[in-house]
Amino acid sequence: EAAVTQSPRNKVTVTGGNVTLSCRQTNSHNYMYWYRQDTGHGLRLIHYSYGAGNLQIGDVPDGYKATRTTQEDFFLLLELASPSQTSLYFCASSAEGLGNQDTQYFGPGTRLLVL
Amino acid sequence: SQWGEENLQALSIQEGEDVTMNCSYKTYTTVVHWYRQDSGRGPALIILIRSNEREKRSGRLRATLDTSSQSSSLSITAAQCEDTAVYFCATDAYQGGRALIFGTGTTVSVSP
Repeated sequence: EAAVTQSPRNKVTVTGGNVTLSCRQTNSHNYMYWYRQDTGHGLRLIHYSYGAGNLQIGDVPDGYKATRTTQEDFFLLLELASPSQTSLYFCASSAEGLGNQDTQYFGPGTRLLVL
Repeated sequence: SQWGEENLQALSIQEGEDVTMNCSYKTYTTVVHWYRQDSGRGPALIILIRSNEREKRSGRLRATLDTSSQSSSLSITAAQCEDTAVYFCATDAYQGGRALIFGTGTTVSVSP
């Protein structure tokens, strides 16, 4: 089974703070994704990547940057965190691309609180 | 949003009962994914039904897809306490790059 890990699992920061969320997958998947999950909204796609150095914009990218440094590692950056970014963040990976009838494997999530 | 409202936000049943949850979508899709999310964990795929399939079974799970009404359902037969989770449907609705769009989820609580 695909393994996706995330760190940290919990993070508290202040408004205007700088936060980096990390994700690593160990199954040589091409695609990696960052989602946020909020009550009433389900999972919403922030950014995704189909390989090292690649970045694609998702549905809710404002206020977020991302970087894919290797095939295994995908980072989500909040350079000026705001309370509206308080959320549960999930990383996922898949062998094929979005909507390609392919399974996405999710990490355990990072809970971020912006005060 | 690509989604219509899922019919039920929360369902509470007892062990042994059957349960069905529904979702609808607004645009063409080639597949509907159903994920379950346990408390404190990420979602995990439990069943996937393609647009050329009307029904798909996996153990006690049964998914249906009606492309004419753009709706899908997930049924659990003889629910058990360990079926307690949030269930999401997701489609590959095109959004200028074929995104996987998740619904808001149905919380299923199964009590002994």
